[in-house]
Amino acid sequence: DTGVSQNPRHKITKRGQNVTFRCDPISEHNRLYWYRQTLGQGPEFLTYFQNEAQLEKSRLLSDRFSAERPKGSFSTLEIQRTEQGDSAMYLCASSRSGAGELFFGEGSRLTVL
Amino acid sequence: KQEVTQIPAALSVPEGENLVLNCSFTDSAIYNLQWFRQDPGKGLTSLLLIQSSQREQTSGRLNASLDKSSGRSTLYIAASQPGDSATYLCAVGPYNQGGKLIFGQGTELSVKP
Repeated sequence: DTGVSQNPRHKITKRGQNVTFRCDPISEHNRLYWYRQTLGQGPEFLTYFQNEAQLEKSRLLSDRFSAERPKGSFSTLEIQRTEQGDSAMYLCASSRSGAGELFFGEGSRLTVL
Repeated sequence: KQEVTQIPAALSVPEGENLVLNCSFTDSAIYNLQWFRQDPGKGLTSLLLIQSSQREQTSGRLNASLDKSSGRSTLYIAASQPGDSATYLCAVGPYNQGGKLIFGQGTELSVKP
């Protein structure tokens, strides 16, 4: 069990650029979740997948955000035309089922200058 | 709308003390409740998962309780150590919401040697 893996761990970009984060869940987990966390706050839900299907998107996920899980394994979260307000830690989690324990990765920290 | 509150926001105790962290939630219709630990700049580490049918879970020096009817959970840490210093997050899994978790803002714990 290698755990949930996220890359890159830290991304610094200029406002207006596009960034993409990758998440590799625990291999037998069919649920994958994306969260965003800002300093001093708890994580906020963004979206989740069951296998390759994206089943829910939060209102926090503006049109500039898109997430995919093309083969039901790894997932990507892309942010287009980044803004300074996008600076946060982006966390990925996976679980075996809908009521199972969530396991989180180490997160990808985004800094938008 | 489910809301999760953690009190206190920060806590400082001397090494060796037993302590209790509190979590409250507004809607008792939950699948489960999960406690996490987060070190600065890191991801979340799952500590304990309590299913809605359970009253408590124990792991080593940690004990978590759940009272769904009153919308409360506590995390008890026995014989605290400096290595326990971290932010502790409580999260609830609402019914029919795909297994996602709703987080509190966390309690920042500092254990002084």
